Amino acid sequence: DAGITQSPRHKVTETGTPVTLRCHQTENHRYMYWYRQDPGHGLRLIHYSYGVKDTDKGEVSDGYSVSRSKTEDFLLTLESATSSQTSVYFCAISASGTGDNYGYTFGSGTRLTVV
Amino acid sequence: QKEVEQNSGPLSVPEGAIASLNCTYSDRGSQSFFWYRQYSGKSPELIMSIYSNGDKEDGRFTAQLNKASQYVSLLIRDSQPSDSATYLCAVNQGSWGKLQFGAGTQVVVTP
Repeated sequence: DAGITQSPRHKVTETGTPVTLRCHQTENHRYMYWYRQDPGHGLRLIHYSYGVKDTDKGEVSDGYSVSRSKTEDFLLTLESATSSQTSVYFCAISASGTGDNYGYTFGSGTRLTVV
Repeated sequence: QKEVEQNSGPLSVPEGAIASLNCTYSDRGSQSFFWYRQYSGKSPELIMSIYSNGDKEDGRFTAQLNKASQYVSLLIRDSQPSDSATYLCAVNQGSWGKLQFGAGTQVVVTP
């Protein structure tokens, strides 16, 4: 695998609890993304980062927040988990937003179940 | 809402045949197009990128792009059982390298 790891790989949590997922990269890539994948919906963008402390919302950002205090780490927080947030979460990195180095490398994913 | 559409499949292909996957997109401003392969329970992996109209070949894979018609396709020649996976079409969306993904086409290669 490229130098991108997600933790935890699996998590079961209760409704209403906060949850933080971690994405760590060793590639020194500028761009990082959080997606969720659900049957019938494909991958949907939650939040993304284009540099340290530079983040923005994707199409399904409600109920999620992110932080990126250093290049290698991008954290996704579910502020108060709900059953609708049960999903597989993927982190992706990219060296560039355009051109030859454009294209994502994905982490192995986190399977989150909210009960 | 800009969209990326793919047939969900499953697309059943005999071993050794050509698998043809199609993808249409709604954003005329899109310039970068990608195909990812995802095995069950695994993460997506990039197999092809294409930026210009026409064909781009890489081994057994050929990506085809027609911006005027807003479609991108993927051909898999000499299909093997190891090609059985879900193939995701992705299109750049706005700035900062964001990608919008289709829901994927499941391909099943039968011996």
